[in-house]
Amino acid sequence: NAGVTQTPKFQVLKTGQSMTLQCAQDMNHNSMYWYRQDPGMGLRLIYYSASEGTTDKGEVPNGYNVSRLNKREFSLRLESAAPSQTSVYFCASSERGGLEQFFGPGTRLTVL
Amino acid sequence: AQTVTQSQPEMSVQEAETVTLSCTYDTSESDYYLFWYKQPPSRQMILVIRQEAYKQQNATENRFSVNFQKAAKSFSLKISDSQLGDAAMYFCAYRSFYSGGGADGLTFGKGTHLIIQP
Repeated sequence: NAGVTQTPKFQVLKTGQSMTLQCAQDMNHNSMYWYRQDPGMGLRLIYYSASEGTTDKGEVPNGYNVSRLNKREFSLRLESAAPSQTSVYFCASSERGGLEQFFGPGTRLTVL
Repeated sequence: AQTVTQSQPEMSVQEAETVTLSCTYDTSESDYYLFWYKQPPSRQMILVIRQEAYKQQNATENRFSVNFQKAAKSFSLKISDSQLGDAAMYFCAYRSFYSGGGADGLTFGKGTHLIIQP
């Protein structure tokens, strides 16, 4: 039981490049989330998906798109990366309305 | 929108001593959930303890306990018998009672870096 997995673990991009962060969970959870963590800050919600085929914006959605491919997978896409998107990105999952969110190990993204 | 404030950027405690981390929050909701998460240098987010706002009794998990003061909107974490493995960033987080529309997402404070002195 791997829990929540994220790929890649590290990535360096140049300004304007695009990339997709992948997230998968094997706990049969309905809800999935993407957060970003900047230095000296707590995590902030980017997007949320309550179930397959549905997504909602969180606190900081600008510059990102998401896809809930199926129940297991929830990807985050940066279409044109900017230095302000340098951050650590966490994916999480939970039961629908569940109290505990299970987090992946994070992806450290640097945009030059 | 809800906000969570952790006013102690860093705390230090001697091994085996007790330390209390502070958290205050602002909300207009009457029902909600509060959490403390631990983030060690590995970056993994680990749930330490949670509190349901409708419960008056303070939550306890082994050496970890909370002091939940709903009227004061305060939610502090007490760690007893501190151990070297407790060294980490600790984040206080808030979640709305209601689901849907992003409401399930957590609102985090900026964190407190806890140092354990051997």
